[in-house]
Amino acid sequence: TQLLEQSPQFLSIQEGENLTVYCNSSSVFSSLQWYRQEPGEGPVLLVTVVTGGEVKKLKRLTFQFGDARKDSSLHITAAQPGDTGLYLCAGGRRDDKIIFGKGTRLHILP
Amino acid sequence: NAGVMQNPRHLVRRRGQEARLRCSPMKGHSHVYWYRQLPEEGLKFMVYLQKENIIDESGMPKERFSAEFPKEGPSILRIQQVVRGDSAAYFCASSPQRQSYEQYFGPGTRLTVT
Repeated sequence: TQLLEQSPQFLSIQEGENLTVYCNSSSVFSSLQWYRQEPGEGPVLLVTVVTGGEVKKLKRLTFQFGDARKDSSLHITAAQPGDTGLYLCAGGRRDDKIIFGKGTRLHILP
Repeated sequence: NAGVMQNPRHLVRRRGQEARLRCSPMKGHSHVYWYRQLPEEGLKFMVYLQKENIIDESGMPKERFSAEFPKEGPSILRIQQVVRGDSAAYFCASSPQRQSYEQYFGPGTRLTVT
């Protein structure tokens, strides 16, 4: 069974601090997506990474796909209250269903 | 800018009733996925459909649950004889390609069984 483990489960930090959350698996994925979900809403796609070692930046968010395509990290610089939410990673293999981790619940204190 | 639409947003049913959840994919998307999310849990895959076909229903309970995506109209997730354990948020996602890397989610339907 493919599993995606996300850590930490919960993170509460002050506005302006930096943070990194992780998504790990023992399986190799063809692609990995990061989503953010706010209460009462559906997940919103932030980024897709497909190449081992790939780094993508989205404003203050930096996403990295591990060289072996088994893990990924999301780094947020100078966190803001608007970054609060549930961050989900999802891994996919060609012609197979996408699997979601349980998420990291991030709370940025003003 | 029509994204994935789901209705109703909230649905309350008494035990034993039927729940019918609707999903209209993004324009141009012919692949639909249904997921279930419990509080403090991730998204659990239920079923993947293409127009008029069920491609993968490996995540769907064998009884009481069914899904369809007709040639015309929205995709429907039907839960018959609901029980309290069916209470959850049900999300629909769509993609333009089979098992696309990227899926776009609707706002979800929150089902409460009383």
